[in-house]
Amino acid sequence: QVQMVESGGGVVQPGRSLRLSCAASGISFSTYGMHWVRQAPGKGLEWVALIWYDGSDQFFAESVKGRFTISRDNSKNTLYLQMNSLRVEDTAVYYCAGGPNTSGPTAWGQGTLVTVSS
Amino acid sequence: QLVLTQPTSLSASPGASARFTCTLRSGIKVGTYRIYWYQQRPGSFPRYLLRYKSDSDNQQGSGVPSRFSGSKDASTNAGLLLISGLQSEDEADYYCAIWYSYTWVFGGGTKLTVL
Repeated sequence: QVQMVESGGGVVQPGRSLRLSCAASGISFSTYGMHWVRQAPGKGLEWVALIWYDGSDQFFAESVKGRFTISRDNSKNTLYLQMNSLRVEDTAVYYCAGGPNTSGPTAWGQGTLVTVSS
Repeated sequence: QLVLTQPTSLSASPGASARFTCTLRSGIKVGTYRIYWYQQRPGSFPRYLLRYKSDSDNQQGSGVPSRFSGSKDASTNAGLLLISGLQSEDEADYYCAIWYSYTWVFGGGTKLTVL
């Protein structure tokens, strides 16, 4: 059974940092491209970042480029999102999602809420 | 102009069919892309339904019933999600997505009401 469990969300002030984690099980993690996708309250899905199965390349949405980094530890089946210089508009539920090889996201976690507020 | 455009809402009756459109921006040819479709029920996380590029290049998500299917309309440059035999549990938001210019792009989503 595929399971992805995000953690690390919470309330943070603008300009501060936060690190999200996603623990995956039930998949061959080291063969999956892994994504972060977010959803602001009452809004649609917004893709945030992607890291290749082996960590060799990363891609980012323009809205987070230069502020967020994505990384993974295949020995721990864990994905990370380091979020720096957070803004109020980064407030959202952040979902971890993965897909085999270069596939789009096919397995999703339940999400973790990040609230950026003073 | 957005890369992917979806109608905001759609309504249909139980037992009927629903046709969702995902229109690609002019200049982005629908035949080139695998279009992914997701369902998000109220209060839940997104669920992968299927992807469709052609009749020979498509995939059904694990456990997704065959009454969910994908297609394309080249004349309108749109990807299509078709749901037959609508049930109340199909009431949800539906999103399309493509890999475009080294980013994943989601459509704005279509809210399906089954009434």
